[in-house]
Amino acid sequence: GAGVSQSPRYKVAKRGQDVALRCDPISGHVSLFWYQQALGQGPEFLTYFQNEAQLDKSGLPSDRFFAERPEGSVSTLKIQRTQQEDSAVYLCASSLAGDGYGYTFGSGTRLTVV
Amino acid sequence: EDQVTQSPEALRLQEGESSSLNCSYTVSGLRGLFWYRQDPGKGPEFLFTLYSAGEEKEKERLKATLTKKESFLHITAPKPEDSATYLCAVRSSKLTFGKGITLSVRP
Repeated sequence: GAGVSQSPRYKVAKRGQDVALRCDPISGHVSLFWYQQALGQGPEFLTYFQNEAQLDKSGLPSDRFFAERPEGSVSTLKIQRTQQEDSAVYLCASSLAGDGYGYTFGSGTRLTVV
Repeated sequence: EDQVTQSPEALRLQEGESSSLNCSYTVSGLRGLFWYRQDPGKGPEFLFTLYSAGEEKEKERLKATLTKKESFLHITAPKPEDSATYLCAVRSSKLTFGKGITLSVRP
């Protein structure tokens, strides 16, 4: 596609519910990143994939967070047993390998945990 | 640990009033300094990448410069449509962002 697509755009979850957030990167982009952006803050790194390999997951805040990219294209970020502090915008970005052109971000999924 | 500090947090300008946004950074092994623009409800939009001290890049009313410790985003004769949050990020093994600078340009 022309850009990075994320779904859903908005998600309201009850505390304790599991959620799954989807990212469709630009076709052919090898690298895929997930970021978390709290209100009024810059994006915070969560995890990074190169093709299907998860090369860095150091930013995942707890073991309730899990990400996968099984075929090296679409990625899913799963949050188990959501808590109020998980409320944020979750951004996905993709880039070509050797990304001199910068990363392209999606519009994000706004998660609200009530 | 890579760190990015942006200042000021917010900036209000009159249309046509030029100014600069600052990004100070510490990073182990800089593989690029990035500027992004973010509009409300949208993801960051790529503006520039700078790789080495002394490098400059321009796009319309924006010019980005880089030294070994900081980067500046200069806005010349801004217009109301330049109002947005401007994010700076450094890349070593991953992108590390600052908190952003919210720019408002009054007509």
